[in-house]
Amino acid sequence: SAVISQKPSRDICQRGTSLTIQCQVDSQVTMMFWYRQQPGQSLTLIATANQGSEATYESGFVIDKFPISRPNLTFSTLTVSNMSPEDSSIYLCSVDSGGGTQYFGPGTRLLVL
Amino acid sequence: RKEVEQDPGPFNVPEGATVAFNCTYSNSASQSFFWYRQDCRKEPKLLMSVYSSGNEDGRFTAQLNRASQYISLLIRDSKLSDSATYLCVVYREGSARQLTFGSGTQLTVLP
Repeated sequence: SAVISQKPSRDICQRGTSLTIQCQVDSQVTMMFWYRQQPGQSLTLIATANQGSEATYESGFVIDKFPISRPNLTFSTLTVSNMSPEDSSIYLCSVDSGGGTQYFGPGTRLLVL
Repeated sequence: RKEVEQDPGPFNVPEGATVAFNCTYSNSASQSFFWYRQDCRKEPKLLMSVYSSGNEDGRFTAQLNRASQYISLLIRDSKLSDSATYLCVVYREGSARQLTFGSGTQLTVLP
């Protein structure tokens, strides 16, 4: 299994600002994923972060709002841009270990005031 | 209709009870199926995969019925430590190699 860390673990931000979340994996992985989990709800995939190419975004998520970087096979960032209170959520990164199983980072808890 | 639907819960059961969760999925092209467990304020963790022949892991038994597009999880002899949210997850290989999560069923095992 992969060991995944995320920074920051939590933050409180003002509306209109941006926050960049970092995800570090202890091994090289081809695909990394970013999810959002809003209060009381299940996980929704934001995008797939591919090394060496642009991220693939799911319906309802756009690059201008959630720019993603993937500079190498162990690291990715997700930026939540121009935040509003509706962006308050837990943001999780994950990696695919094959066959559909994924390992998740501990999550970043974001509160936007 | 949601792609993955689960029992709404919550389930509150006494220690030692047997509890079953159900899940249905709408996309017949789905390839693999899983149950994940998510403890309060923690990330989801894989509990077990679900195979057509049914599979067991200790007190946990998972079943898959592809014809009915139905997945189940049975927990026997519930422990306090089983209290968590159980997520039914469906995998379909595609350009995004996406997992689709159900909304989760909350279980509380009471002493």
